[in-house]
Amino acid sequence: EAGVTQSPTHLIKTRGQQVTLRCSPISGHTSVYWYQQALGLGLQFLLWYDEGEERNRGNFPPRFSGRQFPNYSSELNVNALELEDSALYLCASSSGLKAFFGQGTRLTVV
Amino acid sequence: GENVEQHPSTLSVQEGDSAVIKCTYSDSASNYFPWYKQELGKRPQLIIDIRSNVGEKKDQRIAVTLNKTAKHFSLHITETQPEDSAVYFCAALRGSTLGRLYFGRGTQLTVWP
Repeated sequence: EAGVTQSPTHLIKTRGQQVTLRCSPISGHTSVYWYQQALGLGLQFLLWYDEGEERNRGNFPPRFSGRQFPNYSSELNVNALELEDSALYLCASSSGLKAFFGQGTRLTVV
Repeated sequence: GENVEQHPSTLSVQEGDSAVIKCTYSDSASNYFPWYKQELGKRPQLIIDIRSNVGEKKDQRIAVTLNKTAKHFSLHITETQPEDSAVYFCAALRGSTLGRLYFGRGTQLTVWP
């Protein structure tokens, strides 16, 4: 069984640009979670999607947004990139209470 | 919202020794406490979890204890091995569905051979 997959694995963007990150959950999982892992800050909750709807949102500005598609895959969009957005962005899907993470997308903003 | 604090931030032990990582949480309604291990350059992986109706859970060399009164829980690793070297994250959840996990800031465990 394939795990949670994310694309791209790495990317470099310039301050002010926009970026889209993609996530495919494990087959059969309907919820997708996005976390930001910045150096020394642990995993910060960004967004939770379930059945195509945004269920919860973390303490991030509106320029962080996303959506979930009918096949349960998800996109995370970040507008007007700032240097402090540089981080590993992790996507997860769940079975019951167990979260399964993807390998992440390493975003560097220069 | 929930606030999870994790200590220590770094921990070095000799191979064969035990390691203990402690977390405290603020929301007395939190009822699920997982631990994740993240090896360098890899994804976080669930290694053990405990629910609030249980005081202790073991899985081979790993155990987790929960003290609901004091609102803290701990990860215990016995007979540590170099492959246990990783960042360990504790987390807390309130509710019956996964929703939003509140993570601690992580503990970098290094096991020296």
